[in-house]
This record gives sequence, structure tokens and C-alpha cells, in this order.
Amino acid sequence: QVQLVESGGGVVQPGTSLRLSCVASGFTLKSYDVHWVRQAPGKGLEWVAFISYDGTKKDYGDSTRGRFTISRDISKNTVYLQMNRLRVEDTAVYYCARQNSGNYDAFDEWGQGTMVVVSS
Amino acid sequence: DIQMTQSPSFVSASVGGSVTITCRASQDIGTWLAWYQQKPGRAPNLLIYGASSLPIVVPSRFRGSGSGRDFTLTISSLQPEDSATYYCQQPNTFPPTFGGGTKVEIK
Repeated sequence: QVQLVESGGGVVQPGTSLRLSCVASGFTLKSYDVHWVRQAPGKGLEWVAFISYDGTKKDYGDSTRGRFTISRDISKNTVYLQMNRLRVEDTAVYYCARQNSGNYDAFDEWGQGTMVVVSS
Repeated sequence: DIQMTQSPSFVSASVGGSVTITCRASQDIGTWLAWYQQKPGRAPNLLIYGASSLPIVVPSRFRGSGSGRDFTLTISSLQPEDSATYYCQQPNTFPPTFGGGTKVEIK
């Protein structure tokens, strides 16, 4: 069964760091690009970061570039999002999602999300 | 960045009725267009890819159409479980971008 499970969210103060994890099962990360997408309370979907199937390409949204780092551990079939210098406006549910080139690049599998609250 | 503009932001319809949601891209994206359904407290779920293709588990009352810049999602024979927010997305050109969402209320 294909599944993505996020963890690592929590309540933190501005300026601190947090690392999110996204464990994939039922498929290998070596075959798919993976993205992080976030959703602030009551708002729409915002793309955050991406890592390619071979780990060689990474990219970030304008609001997170320079503060967030995406990485992966193939042995654990896990993608990480290291979030540094967190801001109040980073408060959101963070989802990881699998991109499927066989489905016109659509995000065909999503995790359940993990909540990050940045508050003083 | 490619801007995705959805309309309307809210629509209400009766069980058995139909709704149409539109999505316009700021530039030509061919048929690289996906639609997602999101219910409250849940992750988005892929509804349509390639502008008009349905994943096998999606009921046929959902129909996507369009190409280039203009796209539509039509939901026919509305069911109570179709109450959700729907998002369009262009997933192919970086950065991938989403529309603002359309909330569908079933009366």
C-alpha cells in the first residue's frame, strides 16, 4: 500500500528550528520526485520545496529559500525538511506529496500532514 | 511564476445538481493541469490529471476539460460527500502553483 507519513511538527518559538520527516512506504523514493506543500490555517495550498527522484535537484519557494533545506535518506525511504529561522508566518500544516510523471506530473499521493505552529 | 486563477471562490448547489469551476493559467500550460479535492482536516486528494484524466478510484461524475490557459472542472449528480474545497494546479513548470481554491457547498 502506497503511503506517506509525516511527523516532526510542533509548537516552537520564532527564530528556532524544526525538522519534519516524511516516510514513504509501498514505493521507493528513487523513482519519484517528492514535494513539501503547506497550508496556513484557513488558507490555500502553497508549494514549499522539492527533491528529485535521484536527489540531485532541489528547489524552494521564495518564502522559504535560504531558511529551509530538503534532503532524503534512501536507506530509510524518508524525505526531510529542515526548517531554520522559523517565522510566525510559517505556521501551517505541512504535507509531503509524491509527484508522478506518469500522471502528467500530478501529486498523486499525499501524507496526512503535520502541524507546525510558530508562536511566541 | 505561472499564476492560477480559480472562480468562483464559493458555490452552493443541491444534491443531484451540478457545478462548474473554472481555472485560468497566466500562460499556456497545455494540458499540464491537475485538480484536487480537499475535505476539512484532510490532505488534498488527486481528482484529475492531464486536464481530463481521472484516477481509477474517482467517480465519473467528475469531469475535467480544457487546454492552454482555460480549464474547467464539472461535478454532475452532486452527492453530499462532494462538499469540499477544490484546487487546480499546474505541476509541470517550476514552481508548481495552485489556484486559490473553490469551496463547494451541497445544500
